[in-house]
Amino acid sequence: QKEVEQDPGPLSVPEGAIVSLNCTYSNSAFQYFMWYRQYSRKGPELLMYTYSSGNKEDGRFTAQVDKSSKYISLFIRDSQPSDSATYLCATKNTGNQFYFGTGTSLTVIP
Amino acid sequence: KAGVTQTPRYLIKTRGQQVTLSCSPISGHRSVSWYQQTPGQGLQFLFEYFSETQRNKGNFPGRFSGRQFSNSRSEMNVSTLELGDSALYLCASSLDGQGGQPQHFGDGTRLSIL
Repeated sequence: QKEVEQDPGPLSVPEGAIVSLNCTYSNSAFQYFMWYRQYSRKGPELLMYTYSSGNKEDGRFTAQVDKSSKYISLFIRDSQPSDSATYLCATKNTGNQFYFGTGTSLTVIP
Repeated sequence: KAGVTQTPRYLIKTRGQQVTLSCSPISGHRSVSWYQQTPGQGLQFLFEYFSETQRNKGNFPGRFSGRQFSNSRSEMNVSTLELGDSALYLCASSLDGQGGQPQHFGDGTRLSIL
C-alpha cells in the first residue's frame, strides 16, 4: 500500500465551479500536510500547508485534514482557467521524509 | 529571495553515458532533496542531503548518487544511463528538514535518454 493515494483524474470543470481534490494516507504518524500545484514544464509550487486536523483557508483555496479518516482535501472556489494544473498532495512526519500523491490533473474550461 | 535553481533545464544523453545535475537551494536552506518524476510513478524520492551528509535515501540503484557542498549546493549523478532514467529530476530545499517545514521545488532538469 502506498503511503499516499490520490485519484489521478483527469478532472475537467467549467469556470466558476467548486473543485474538490482528495487524497488518503496510510500512516497515522503523519502530522504535516501540503498541497502543491504544478504547471506544465514547471516544478511543484507550494500552495497550502497545514498541521494536524482542521481547515486552512487562503483566498479561493481551502485545505482540509481529517486525521480520524486519514483524508486530505483541497477545495478551490470560483475556479479559473489559470487554476488548470496538476495538484499534488503531500505529507510528512517530524522527520524529513516527504510522501507525495501521484497528482490530479485539473482543467478549468472558460 | 531567489528560489531553488536547477541546471541545466534540459539534457539529452545516450544509453551508457553518465550525467551530473546541479541544484542551488534557497539561501539559508540547508536540506536538499532529489526526486524523480515520471508520468506513471509520480514523484519518487531519491535522497536527501543535510550539512554535506546523506541523511535519507530512497529505493534507487547505486547508479544514482549525490553530494552536497559546504554552501548547501547539491549535485546528483547518474552513471550508466538507461532508457528508463528518462524523467524530470526535481530538487527541493527546506531550512533544515525537521519539524513542519515544507519543501520548495526548483523547475527541474528534464533528462531524455536516447
